[in-house]
Amino acid sequence: AQKVTQAQTEISVVEKEDVTLDCVYETRDTTYYLFWYKQPPSGELVFLIRRNSFDEQNEISGRYSWNFQKSTSSFNFTITASQVVDSAVYFCALSGAQGGSEKLVFGKGTKLTVNP
Amino acid sequence: DTEVTQTPKHLVMGMTNKKSLKCEQHMGHRAMYWYKQKAKKPPELMFVYSYEKLSINESVPSRFSPECPNSSLLNLHLHALQPEDSALYLCASSPNVGYYGYTFGSGTRLTVV
Repeated sequence: AQKVTQAQTEISVVEKEDVTLDCVYETRDTTYYLFWYKQPPSGELVFLIRRNSFDEQNEISGRYSWNFQKSTSSFNFTITASQVVDSAVYFCALSGAQGGSEKLVFGKGTKLTVNP
Repeated sequence: DTEVTQTPKHLVMGMTNKKSLKCEQHMGHRAMYWYKQKAKKPPELMFVYSYEKLSINESVPSRFSPECPNSSLLNLHLHALQPEDSALYLCASSPNVGYYGYTFGSGTRLTVV
């Protein structure tokens, strides 16, 4: 069975602080895909990143960076110099590449509040 | 066009009503999905369509009836819903079933009274 755990339910920071959102996953698949989505109060799920299980290179996109560590089954997300517009619920998700590949399994989400 | 469009954005319906949610994409994606999201919870998969055929039904009650008339359109027909069915209903699409990345619509916020 596949599982995604986001242990941080809510995080509150002050603008310009760096913040890391944790994600730990479980899967028996050797090939799988990990995702991060942002859900602002308006409701839509905004795709941030997809990473396959064979690519452990860290990725940086502007103020966003992701640290994928297969050895610890973690895919953490860091926002550098946070801004008020970063306030949202962030979901980490997992999709298998074989059986169950149709299903995107989400963690429970981390609500990030960035205060001015 | 890189969007998934869902209509209506908000819907209030009585328990005896029949209504439909609509989802449309013009990205040539061949897989489409319905997810249900209760307040403060993650989205949960309801249905998957692959090449216009229903491939997964996650044991969803029959009062929810999906339909995929063509490769661009996905409907969710609602009948005799319960107040506990109130939720955000999200549609998504992907190039094919699985792991290529999912594009989500902004959802329909449904309230059953």
